[in-house]
Amino acid sequence: EIVLTQSPGTLSLSPGERATLSCRASQSVSSRYLAWFQQKLGQTPRLLIYAASNRAPGIPDRFSGSGSGTDFTLTIRRLEPEDFAVYYCQQSGTFGRGTKVEIK
Amino acid sequence: QVQLVQSGSELKKPGASVKVSCKAPGYTYTAMNWVRQAPGQGLEWMGWIDTNTGNPTYTQDFTGRFVFSFDTSVSTAYLQINGLKAEDTAVYYCARDRWDLWGQGTLVTVSS
Repeated sequence: EIVLTQSPGTLSLSPGERATLSCRASQSVSSRYLAWFQQKLGQTPRLLIYAASNRAPGIPDRFSGSGSGTDFTLTIRRLEPEDFAVYYCQQSGTFGRGTKVEIK
Repeated sequence: QVQLVQSGSELKKPGASVKVSCKAPGYTYTAMNWVRQAPGQGLEWMGWIDTNTGNPTYTQDFTGRFVFSFDTSVSTAYLQINGLKAEDTAVYYCARDRWDLWGQGTLVTVSS
């Protein structure tokens, strides 16, 4: 069973700053099935990135995904107020524990 | 985007059963996933059901008391939980095979 480890657990940043979120798999995985989700408090998760680097429809281009093998990254180029949320990576259904991006 | 429609919140006693429905009006899909989120916790993938064959697949932590089904006549997926325990208290989501469409979530509360 693949385990996804997300780091850091919490990221404290200010609006306008760059956010870099990491997702590490316990073994090499296919990029085709690596996705990132955003969940705001009290809301349903939203697909941001699929196949490691493809933005889902309607997702702003400040969100980007990269990586391969065991190491994947979600980057938010300049944080907007609405970007403060919890972010989950997912591999073939299995989720990481999430990274909370909070306002510093 | 929330575009799948789930049934409403449920309050059940320990030992009872609950059945949550999920409908995807106007959308095509070949599988439906189920996800659990306990209060203040992360997302747990429970498994999925092949909507063509009706064959369910459960992840390791969700075998035994959890049952996925699909009614083709009304294009609705169901999650049934039997022998409810307090630790089953959570929001349960359905999500289409591509993970791009989710239900709004159904809160199941188990309390005596």
